[in-house]
Amino acid sequence: EIVLTQSPGTLSLSPGERATLSCRASQTITSRYLAWYQQKPGQAPRLLISGASSRATGIPDRFSGSGSGTDFTLTISRLEPEDFAVYYCQQYGSSPNTFGQGTRLEIE
Amino acid sequence: QVTLRESGPALVKPTQTLTLTCTFSGFSLRTSGMCVSWVRQPPGKSLEWLALIDWDDDEYYNTSLKTRLTISKDTSKNQVVLTMTNMDPVDTATYFCARARGGNYYDSGKYFDYWGQGTLVTVSS
Repeated sequence: EIVLTQSPGTLSLSPGERATLSCRASQTITSRYLAWYQQKPGQAPRLLISGASSRATGIPDRFSGSGSGTDFTLTISRLEPEDFAVYYCQQYGSSPNTFGQGTRLEIE
Repeated sequence: QVTLRESGPALVKPTQTLTLTCTFSGFSLRTSGMCVSWVRQPPGKSLEWLALIDWDDDEYYNTSLKTRLTISKDTSKNQVVLTMTNMDPVDTATYFCARARGGNYYDSGKYFDYWGQGTLVTVSS
């Protein structure tokens, strides 16, 4: 199965700053089948990005995804207070679907 | 408006079988391309995909748990049921059901665009 490694484990930033989250796969992810989710405490994950770069319905354009092959990035251009949460990447190009271990984005 | 809701026991004993039901609305599993999946999350940990069923009754399982899982659907009731046998304390987790989309057509590789709120299942004697 494809192992996804997210970095950093924790990212401490202030509102207004730019956040860059990384997701690296142990094998090439076919067709850029990579998704990103946001999860807040006590809530279900929320889909942000699919297909590596396509924003889900209702997701603000400060969220953007990029990458291909084994290296993918989620960028939040200007952090809002509600963006502080845990972020997970997920690949769906190879069975089984797998998730990264998460990046915690916390207020500095 | 798409919604999903999980239901089932909050506590099960080791070796017992867990049965969880996902009741959904806003879409139909009769529609070509539609799928529902189960994903779990142990406390403080990441997410693990468990199983998926599609509009065509195809079933897909995480190979690491395949021998313990069964997924089924009742299209008339808009429900998907997951059973997991031989429960162990390491299976303690929040279990989510989610609508699954995208990827290749007849394949388990999907992303999850709508999720239920999850149900915490604790395995303890």
